[in-house]
Amino acid sequence: DADVTQTPRNRITKTGKRIMLECSQTKGHDRMYWYRQDPGLGLRLIYYSFDVKDINKGEISDGYSVSRQAQAKFSLSLESAIPNQTALYFCATSDNSGRLNEQYFGPGTRLTVT
Amino acid sequence: RKEVEQDPGPFNVPEGATVAFNCTYSNSASQSFFWYRQDCRKEPKLLMSVYSSGNEDGRFTAQLNRASQYISLLIRDSKLSDSATYLCVVSYTGTASKLTFGTGTRLQVTL
Repeated sequence: DADVTQTPRNRITKTGKRIMLECSQTKGHDRMYWYRQDPGLGLRLIYYSFDVKDINKGEISDGYSVSRQAQAKFSLSLESAIPNQTALYFCATSDNSGRLNEQYFGPGTRLTVT
Repeated sequence: RKEVEQDPGPFNVPEGATVAFNCTYSNSASQSFFWYRQDCRKEPKLLMSVYSSGNEDGRFTAQLNRASQYISLLIRDSKLSDSATYLCVVSYTGTASKLTFGTGTRLQVTL
């Protein structure tokens, strides 16, 4: 079984709809992240969380919100989806041991906003 | 200027060839360096960390040049299975566990 899972894997939605992407992990890591990937732009950090009570904005948080429901779960919401939020979204985790920054990614969610 | 810059390629090489990728970074305070591999439409996976003294893992060798602010990845004896996009990744002082990704260099190994 995968250590980091994301649901849904693919989603097509309409402009203005609210959508939630979910991430779960069994790695026991404290730190979780949401990225989006666009062609030619690489991965960009949306939000990150270092523990259940900690939420931090990344470089492109506008239009997004997150919830860290438990150590193992980190959800990303688009309150009112717009077409330029069409992208591939990845969740990632890392521990807080000596090997900082090594991140483990989920399989991704391909989101299309029409 | 992008914080992490890579030649997007593609690099088309025959099986068995040696290929090298470079990556430059703009922030001299960069602290940690990595190469990740990403297969088409899949998640990135850590290939190797890059240490100041350079490091090797099988057919893969990574080098860091802090003075010139670039890192490199050398792949020897290329295999068809090495075909992927290679992402250069750095983290900066004061932003522990936050990574900045390059846009990737695509490698295609052919028969």
